[in-house]
Amino acid sequence: EPEVTQTPSHQVTQMGQEVILRCVPISNHLYFYWYRQILGQKVEFLVSFYNNEISEKSEIFDDQFSVERPDGSNFTLKIRSTKLEDSAMYFCASSSQSYNEQFFGPGTRLTVL
Amino acid sequence: SQQGEEDPQALSIQEGENATMNCSYKTSINNLQWYRQNSGRGLVHLILIRSNEREKHSGRLRVTLDTSKKSSSLLITASRAADTASYFCATFGGNQFYFGTGTSLTVIP
Repeated sequence: EPEVTQTPSHQVTQMGQEVILRCVPISNHLYFYWYRQILGQKVEFLVSFYNNEISEKSEIFDDQFSVERPDGSNFTLKIRSTKLEDSAMYFCASSSQSYNEQFFGPGTRLTVL
Repeated sequence: SQQGEEDPQALSIQEGENATMNCSYKTSINNLQWYRQNSGRGLVHLILIRSNEREKHSGRLRVTLDTSKKSSSLLITASRAADTASYFCATFGGNQFYFGTGTSLTVIP
């Protein structure tokens, strides 16, 4: 069964450093998403991506964040200058249609020290 | 915001009993979805109900949607220990996608 994969599973970084979180969506999906879940809190939408551009972004997704689909398979989230409050689980998801059933990856736990 | 709120926050039942979770939201939606999250894992899609639907079934799951009350319920019948997880409603409307705060369900064997 196809699945969304994410790497790394856990990333530890120093405050102010840049991190890139990687995702491989399901191959025939066209819509891609990033979400964040701070420990013990709800899942928060960050951004959606379609046709090589951002479709929607939340107020959380400020200038320190960027997304890219550098090739036909990877979908990345870059955080330019990490802050302590960026520590969270980051989930990638993909879907075949806009905002229909989304398939989630297992997540990357980001710890900013 | 269009934030969904689940009720109750936590629910503990015996195996074989039914579990009902409710979700309320604030603005108009295109669809509402329910997801399950096992501890520390990604979310798994359970069921989607569109704004023009009132009820939907999938296996042991039954979802209702009342757009006039801006609420939805998820019923899990004949619960099993493996149903222990957090359950979230998610709404899509106005090109935004919002998850609720979740209900933590514990099914006691």
